[in-house]
Amino acid sequence: EILMTQSPATLSVSPGERATLSCRANETVGTNLVWYQQKPGQAPTLLVYGASTRAPRVPARFSGSGSGTEFTLTISSLQSEDFAVYYCQQYYNWPPRFTFGPGTKVDFK
Amino acid sequence: QLLESGGSLVQPGGSLRLSCAASGFTFRNYAMTWVRQAPGKGLNWVASISGAGGSPYYADTVKGRFTISRDNSQNILFLQMNRLRVEDTATYYCAKDFLHGSYSEFWGQGTPVTVSS
Repeated sequence: EILMTQSPATLSVSPGERATLSCRANETVGTNLVWYQQKPGQAPTLLVYGASTRAPRVPARFSGSGSGTEFTLTISSLQSEDFAVYYCQQYYNWPPRFTFGPGTKVDFK
Repeated sequence: QLLESGGSLVQPGGSLRLSCAASGFTFRNYAMTWVRQAPGKGLNWVASISGAGGSPYYADTVKGRFTISRDNSQNILFLQMNRLRVEDTATYYCAKDFLHGSYSEFWGQGTPVTVSS
């Protein structure tokens, strides 16, 4: 099973600041990685797929990068609506054995 | 839009069938997935199925107990859950996949399942 880790577990940021979230796989997943955002009481929403492609209608302040085992989600200038939990997920396996990271909570500093 | 239903309180060892009604897209053209989230915890993939209804795949934790299926004439995805355990307690989300074996593009709002005596 491909194991995903994320760091930090919690990131305290002020509005307008830059936030950098990390995701690591214990073996290569190529660029078969997505980032989801989840706000309290809501379903996750897709932010980035293919490691670096923003999903439709996702603001340009969100950017993904990386390949292989190391990935990063950057929020260039945090807005109030960006305080949420962010999960990475790999979809490299076939047959599917999708695995998620434990999440990074971005909260108000 | 995806609208889940069927979640409730059930005793350990019991059964439950979740439904997910889809609208706004050509349901039969898309693979679908169930993901669950235990209270206060992270996300865990449960099962996926192709658009035609074949090729179901399951997480090891539910294999042999859960069955994913779909009715493309009614645009509904199902998750039959048998021999439920306390650790199956979670909110269950259905999701529309980009491709079978690929990521989920869009999620429903979830339905809660509680397994407790």
